[in-house]
Amino acid sequence: NAGVTQTPKFQVLKTGQSMTLQCAQDMNHNSMYWYRQDPGMGLRLIYYSASEGTTDKGEVPNGYNVSRLNKREFSLRLESAAPSQTSVYFCASSETRTGELFFGEGSRLTVL
Amino acid sequence: RKEVEQDPGPFNVPEGATVAFNCTYSNSASQSFFWYRQDCRKEPKLLMSVYSSGNEDGRFTAQLNRASQYISLLIRDSKLSDSATYLCVVNERGAGNMLTFGGGTRLMVKP
Repeated sequence: NAGVTQTPKFQVLKTGQSMTLQCAQDMNHNSMYWYRQDPGMGLRLIYYSASEGTTDKGEVPNGYNVSRLNKREFSLRLESAAPSQTSVYFCASSETRTGELFFGEGSRLTVL
Repeated sequence: RKEVEQDPGPFNVPEGATVAFNCTYSNSASQSFFWYRQDCRKEPKLLMSVYSSGNEDGRFTAQLNRASQYISLLIRDSKLSDSATYLCVVNERGAGNMLTFGGGTRLMVKP
């Protein structure tokens, strides 16, 4: 049972480049999330999807877009990467919005 | 002011010690509370939920104080394997009903 799988695990980008972080869960969860984690800041919610076909902004959505492709997959896109987007990105899923979060292993992104 | 605040630590304790962390939250409408554990360079994982009456899971005890708006985590008989960062998580009823994470408290248990 893989749980939550996110790719890539590491990525280095130049300012202005674009990329997509992929996330898939095999637990049949309705809700999926993208967080970023920076030193001393805790995890901050970028976007979430309460159910297939819906997406909503979180605390720090600027510079990001998301797609809930189906119930399993939720991708995060950086259209024009900036150094301020250097961070560790975590995808998570939960059965309900108030339930336990299951996280992927994280994607470490560096923007030069 | 952050919505969920934790002392970042680190708390350095010897094996076998008892250690306690507090976490304060600013929104009195918060309804659900959790402690997550995060090992270095790993993903967070749920340690325990925090119930109004307090709850215990082995060496771990969680308490909620609604009047003062804080939750606590007590670890008894600390093990080397308890070394990690402990994240306080609060769910606010209302718009979004989203979970808000504290910055985490780092614990280091020494032999």
